[in-house]
Amino acid sequence: GAVVSQHPSWVICKSGTSVKIECRSLDFQATTMFWYRQFPKQSLMLMATSNEGSKATYEQGVEKDKFLINHASLTLSTLTVTSAHPEDSSFYICSARETGLSTDTQYFGPGTRLTVL
Amino acid sequence: AQSVTQPDIHITVSEGASLELRCNYSYGATPYLFWYVQSPGQGLQLLLKYFSGDTLVQGIKGFEAEFKRSQSSFNLRKPSVHWSDAAEYFCAVGGGTSYGKLTFGQGTILTVHP
Repeated sequence: GAVVSQHPSWVICKSGTSVKIECRSLDFQATTMFWYRQFPKQSLMLMATSNEGSKATYEQGVEKDKFLINHASLTLSTLTVTSAHPEDSSFYICSARETGLSTDTQYFGPGTRLTVL
Repeated sequence: AQSVTQPDIHITVSEGASLELRCNYSYGATPYLFWYVQSPGQGLQLLLKYFSGDTLVQGIKGFEAEFKRSQSSFNLRKPSVHWSDAAEYFCAVGGGTSYGKLTFGQGTILTVHP
């Protein structure tokens, strides 16, 4: 299947700093990528839809100024958590959408564990 | 609005036993249906998917799922569970006008006893 990578796999930062997470589709082009947040023992919560060459679409309740998304190419989307605070600590997972004549599938990255001290 | 229900939060089976994980969905159009598996601290791996055609779909690791439109279900099955199958399983629905967005169930944690 298609492969999606995320970097870094984990990061620890101080409160008030910004953190950038990269999501790459390694063997296919993805015009659409998605960013999720997962709390312990819970399902995935969609944060935003990242579209190549255009602004991201954020889900209700997600602060667009705190979670900056840039989809600069067909294989790369980045999520920047600005002025991070301890409540932003979470597991962030991206996915890349592969579409074709008979497919419309999201492939997920391995996730990034963010801890804000 | 679309929704996915996984009625079983936690299932325990013995190694070698058969497995069925339940998934019921609500969707206004023809659904695309998916099962993903997540090991602790990892991302999600696609097990199988249904778009159209044969309602019994085969996936990786010996899993299969059957789409039953009349019951709005897409249950995941495996005839003989291995200890390495212990993980959390998510059912998801998308398609149509959702522009690729998926709606996930709450997940089912599978524990495998030796």
